[in-house]
Amino acid sequence: QSVLAQPPSVSEAPRQRVAIFCSGSSSNIGNNPVNWYQQFPGKAPKLLVYYDNLLPSGVSDRFSGSKSGTSASLAISGLQSEDEAEYYCGTWDDSLNGWVFGGGTKLTVL
Amino acid sequence: QVQMQESGPGLVKSSETLSLTCIVSGGSISKYYWAWIRQPPGKGLEWIGHIDHSANSNYNPSLKSRVTISFDTSKTQFSLRVSSVTAADSAMYYCARSYVSGSRRFDSWGQGTLVTVSS
Repeated sequence: QSVLAQPPSVSEAPRQRVAIFCSGSSSNIGNNPVNWYQQFPGKAPKLLVYYDNLLPSGVSDRFSGSKSGTSASLAISGLQSEDEAEYYCGTWDDSLNGWVFGGGTKLTVL
Repeated sequence: QVQMQESGPGLVKSSETLSLTCIVSGGSISKYYWAWIRQPPGKGLEWIGHIDHSANSNYNPSLKSRVTISFDTSKTQFSLRVSSVTAADSAMYYCARSYVSGSRRFDSWGQGTLVTVSS
C-alpha cells in the first residue's frame, strides 16, 4: 500500500488530454513540492515534472503539473503513443524524513 | 553530468545479507542526498534510505532495523546493506540523487540492478 494514492490506470485517445491525480496528506503533499516521474518498462524512472509544475530541460511542454492542498495532478496534452508509460508522483514526507511515492499509474494511449 | 551505476550480486540466499554499491561519477557529492530506492516486480517505488555528504543517514522505518547505507572513504561510491533478506526483498534496486532542499527531486538515477532472493 503506497502512501500516495494514484489510480492504477488511465487511458485516452491520441491527441486528447489526460490527467493523473495523486492524493496525499499534510505531512507530504500538503507541505512539500511534488515531483512526477515517467518510467518505461525495463527502464529507470525519469524526472518529468518537479516543484509541482516545473519541467526539466528537454521535457515536452505537453506535460504540466499542478497542486492544491494535499492533492496534485499531472496533465498530458496532445497524447502520443510514445507517452504510454507508468507515471509516479513522489514527494518528501516530514514524518518519515524521507520520500514517499504513489503506486504508479499506467497510461494507455488508445 | 553525473552518472550513477549500481553493482552487486543478482542472487542472494534467504536470511543472508544483500550488498550493493553505487558508483558516482561526474559530479560533487555535496548539496545532495544519495538514496536507494527499490521496486518489486510489477509494483511501485519504495524509498529505502539515504545518506548526505556528511554521512548522515536516514532509513524507511519499515526497513530500518535491517538497512545500512554508507559512503566509501573516497566518497565516490555509496553502499547498501540489507540483512536477513526474504523473498519480499526481491526487487529492482536503484540508486538516485536528490537535492537536499527545495523540491528534493530525484534528478539522476542509476539503471537499476535486479536482486532475487532465493530459498
